[in-house]
Amino acid sequence: AQKVTQAQTEISVVEKEDVTLDCVYETRDTTYYLFWYKQPPSGELVFLIRRNSFDEQNEISGRYSWNFQKSTSSFNFTITASQVVDSAVYFCALKGGKLIFGQGTELSVKP
Amino acid sequence: DTGVSQDPRHKITKRGQNVTFRCDPISEHNRLYWYRQTLGQGPEFLTYFQNEAQLEKSRLLSDRFSAERPKGSFSTLEIQRTEQGDSAMYLCASTPRATNEKLFFGSGTQLSVL
Repeated sequence: AQKVTQAQTEISVVEKEDVTLDCVYETRDTTYYLFWYKQPPSGELVFLIRRNSFDEQNEISGRYSWNFQKSTSSFNFTITASQVVDSAVYFCALKGGKLIFGQGTELSVKP
Repeated sequence: DTGVSQDPRHKITKRGQNVTFRCDPISEHNRLYWYRQTLGQGPEFLTYFQNEAQLEKSRLLSDRFSAERPKGSFSTLEIQRTEQGDSAMYLCASTPRATNEKLFFGSGTQLSVL
């Protein structure tokens, strides 16, 4: 069975703090893809990143970075110098066949 | 660039009524997905289409739910004899082709069953 666990339900930080969102997944597939999506208050899911199971290189995109560790089945997401506009619900997702989402982490960045 | 479009944005209905939602995917995207999301939860997979063929249905999808994609373009999701537990956001997504492609999501249809 495939499963994605985001243990942090809610996180609250003050602007400019760094914050890491945790994601742990379970799958028996050898080939799979991991995603992060952002869901702002408007409701539309916005794609952030996709990684395949063969590529464990960490990735940085501006203030966003992702740490993929196959040994611990984790795909964590860090926002550096957070901003109020980062406030949203963030979902980690796993795709073997269909896309399976975690329960999401609600991030609140206060000014 | 036209994204995934869903109609209506909001639907309020009485228990026992039938409702139908429409999704227009991005042009030339041949895979179309339906998800359901309740408050505080991640989206749950319901079903998906490759062109007009419905390839997979979740066990969550009871017999009251039916989805179609008759010409391989837009899709409809119908819920018959709605129940209060059907209240949720219904999300549609599309993707060009392969299973590793990211999904593009619409803004969803918020269903409230009174």
